[in-house]
Amino acid sequence: SQELEQSPQSLIVQEGKNLTINCTSSKTLYGLYWYKQKYGEGLIFLMMLQKGGEEKSHEKITAKLDEKKQQSSLHITASQPSHAGIYLCGAALGNNDMRFGAGTRLTVKP
Amino acid sequence: DVKVTQSSRYLVKRTGEKVFLECVQDMDHENMFWYRQDPGLGLRLIYFSYDVKMKEKGDIPEGYSVSREKKERFSLILESASTNQTSMYLCASSPGTWTGYTFGSGTRLTVV
Repeated sequence: SQELEQSPQSLIVQEGKNLTINCTSSKTLYGLYWYKQKYGEGLIFLMMLQKGGEEKSHEKITAKLDEKKQQSSLHITASQPSHAGIYLCGAALGNNDMRFGAGTRLTVKP
Repeated sequence: DVKVTQSSRYLVKRTGEKVFLECVQDMDHENMFWYRQDPGLGLRLIYFSYDVKMKEKGDIPEGYSVSREKKERFSLILESASTNQTSMYLCASSPGTWTGYTFGSGTRLTVV
């Protein structure tokens, strides 16, 4: 089973709608990273969260970390076709490496 | 900007061939990683390295080996390629523990 569970697995939204992607860890989080991947390409770093309650924003994307729930959420406001892709969360879980969720595939319909 | 360069975007190899996937980073990062990505399974760690000539097994090392003779280069070797190694391979590097990774663009390998 995945140490990081992402939900939903895929999401289709109409342009302009808001959406949320969740990432839940089965272990204590020592840092949570969000990446975006265009189809067939490498991962692009979006943001990093390290402290419980921390919230960061980049353009229309906001991510929060709930340390108690061992969970992070990524929220996109007023989605655009440029937001389409696969969103992955990654976390340092006490190992000396990062583990990743299976990803959420986002489609934004014009 | 940190750059992680993977030598090939697409590769097609025959079953039984020895395959080399190359990864080079230009920011003097200590750590380098090889992942494979498959639909529904996410990224799975194959091998990683914390220093030159040092390697550690990840979650799925079987059928793979690695080489790190120089700090900037981390090679993934498929000793005898099999069809179940058809996948997207991603290389990453990082300056230290608990720091974010920089990824290469990926190599999509097809074994026929």
